[in-house]
Amino acid sequence: GAGVSQSPRYKVAKRGQDVALRCDPISGHVSLFWYQQALGQGPEFLTYFQNEAQLDKSGLPSDRFFAERPEGSVSTLKIQRTQQEDSAVYLCASSLVRWTSGGPNTGELFFGEGSRLTVL
Amino acid sequence: AQSVAQPEDQVNVAEGNPLTVKCTYSVSGNPYLFWYVQYPNRGLQFLLKYITGDNLVKGSYGFEAEFNKSQTSFHLKKPSALVSDSALYFCAVRGMNTGFQKLVFGTGTRLLVSP
Repeated sequence: GAGVSQSPRYKVAKRGQDVALRCDPISGHVSLFWYQQALGQGPEFLTYFQNEAQLDKSGLPSDRFFAERPEGSVSTLKIQRTQQEDSAVYLCASSLVRWTSGGPNTGELFFGEGSRLTVL
Repeated sequence: AQSVAQPEDQVNVAEGNPLTVKCTYSVSGNPYLFWYVQYPNRGLQFLLKYITGDNLVKGSYGFEAEFNKSQTSFHLKKPSALVSDSALYFCAVRGMNTGFQKLVFGTGTRLLVSP
């Protein structure tokens, strides 16, 4: 597609439920990022994929959070046993270039519209 | 670890007046710097970036930003504000070290342009 697509756009979950959020990056983009944006805050880094490899998951807040990108394209962020503090907008972003090399070709991130998760 | 400070939660400006949205950063070594804009219920949109070279960077929609290494700042500017510029603006920084360096965002500044 033309841009980064995320689904669902809105998700309401009861505390303790598992949720799965999907990200469809721009075709051919090597890099994929997940960010969490709490209300009134800036995006906080969760994890980074270069193709299918998860190179950094240092931002995942707990072992209830899991992300995968098995074929180097679509990615899924899974949250198990959701808690109220998980309520946030989850943003996916992709980039044409590898973010491990830096240099003048460092490209911008293209963001999806986000998945808003509300945990009751 | 890198960090970004946006000292103003909100900036108010009248249409037609110049605007400045402030950003200072902290990073080990030289930075890559970005500005993004977020409209309601929309994802972040890239405005401009500083990678290397000229300290004055021009971007989308008439915005520009000036990299000042001595002051570790990257303020966003526009000579003449439009009501349609009203949105949430985020500054972000990434280090130049080899290996993966995440993009770290500030907390955002809300820009309100009045007619």
